[in-house]
Parts: sequence; C-alpha cells; structure tokens
Amino acid sequence: DGGITQSPKYLFRKEGQNVTLSCEQNLNHDAMYWYRQDPGQGLRLIYYSQIVNDFQKGDIAEGYSVSREKKESFPLTVTSAQKNPTAFYLCASSIVQYNEQFFGPGTRLTVL
Amino acid sequence: QKEVEQNSGPLSVPEGAIASLNCTYSDRVSQSFFWYRQYSGKSPELIMSIYSNGDKEDGRFTAQLNKASQYVSLLIRDSQPSDSATYLCAVTNNYGQNFVFGPGTRLSVLP
Repeated sequence: DGGITQSPKYLFRKEGQNVTLSCEQNLNHDAMYWYRQDPGQGLRLIYYSQIVNDFQKGDIAEGYSVSREKKESFPLTVTSAQKNPTAFYLCASSIVQYNEQFFGPGTRLTVL
Repeated sequence: QKEVEQNSGPLSVPEGAIASLNCTYSDRVSQSFFWYRQYSGKSPELIMSIYSNGDKEDGRFTAQLNKASQYVSLLIRDSQPSDSATYLCAVTNNYGQNFVFGPGTRLSVLP
C-alpha cells in the first residue's frame, strides 16, 4: 500500500529532552511538510522540503530541526528549546506541481 | 501576512440537508484551493481541490471558487451524520511554498 507513515503514534517527553518524530512516504512525492496542530486550532507549518538535502523554515520553526537525506524520509526533531511542544504533529507530502498534500496519521507529543 | 478565514462554527444541519462551508483568503496570487475533512483525533483527509473559477462537483460535494471575491466554498448535499467533522480550507500558490490552512469549521449533522 502506498502512503505516509508516522511513528510513534504517541510520544511522551520529559522537559529538557530532544525527541525525533519519524515520517516516511512511499508515494514517490518530492515535497514533504511538517505541521503542528494545537487543540481547537488550525495547522501551522514548521518546515517543508521540496527536494532532497534542501528544506525551508515555515511559520514556527524555532525549537525544531529537520533533515532530508532521502526522498522517502523527513524526520522532525523537537529540541529542548521548544518551550511548548505538547501538540499533534502531522507530516504531509505532495507531488510538487499538483500541490495536493496528503497526510500521515500524526504523532501526539506530550511533555511531562 | 497571508490569511485564510473560516467561521469556526459549530455549524449544525439536519440529516439530508445541504451544508454550506465558506472560506475567504487574503493573498490575491493564490492559485490552488483545497478542502480537507478532519475527524476528531485524526489527520486531515483531502476531499476536493479546485483551481479555476466556478463549480467542481464530486459526488455529494461541490466546491465553488470566486477569485475576484477571494472566496471558496464547499457544499455538502444530503448531509449524513458521518459528515460531522471539522472542515479545513487550504490555499497556496502554484509552487506549494505558502500552503496556508484556515482554522476550520466544525460541522455537526443531526440525525
């Protein structure tokens, strides 16, 4: 089956820890995205990547980092510098020229 | 600041009625428009995309776009309780570099 997978589904982090969220896609999409969603709110763009080894900051990149070493993979690291990381994190991908983004199932991160 | 606005709702309609969801956007160079459905606790699911002025129909869903008025809407005919969800409007330019989501409208279809 083609699709986007995210792991883990739930993640608990202690204050001061860095954690990495996984996102993998086998749709052969060039572009990948990370969003954050807080309860009752819309999606906010953290980082996006249009091609391998290149990525750009979104609206709320502070406290986050990404890498794009392979076309299929776009992991997101939530660093200790992110002051309020508890949220629902969504990864998406798209064929660049068509723009339709397809989402993974999400990772719910909770800081203890 | 590019903005996409939607009524937060909740919008309540009886089963079988037409639900009308509206979205306005501020960036005049926007070219691509999308509607997503998001069930509580789940990720967004693409319902419709529309790129040209006018109507686009897909089953019970119709998307309407008016670029002059910077307005896009989604009509759901014969609404079902399973349509109860939050509907997100998204807008971008042709290169996907400014993909902006609205806050979503919560729809409740009453049996």
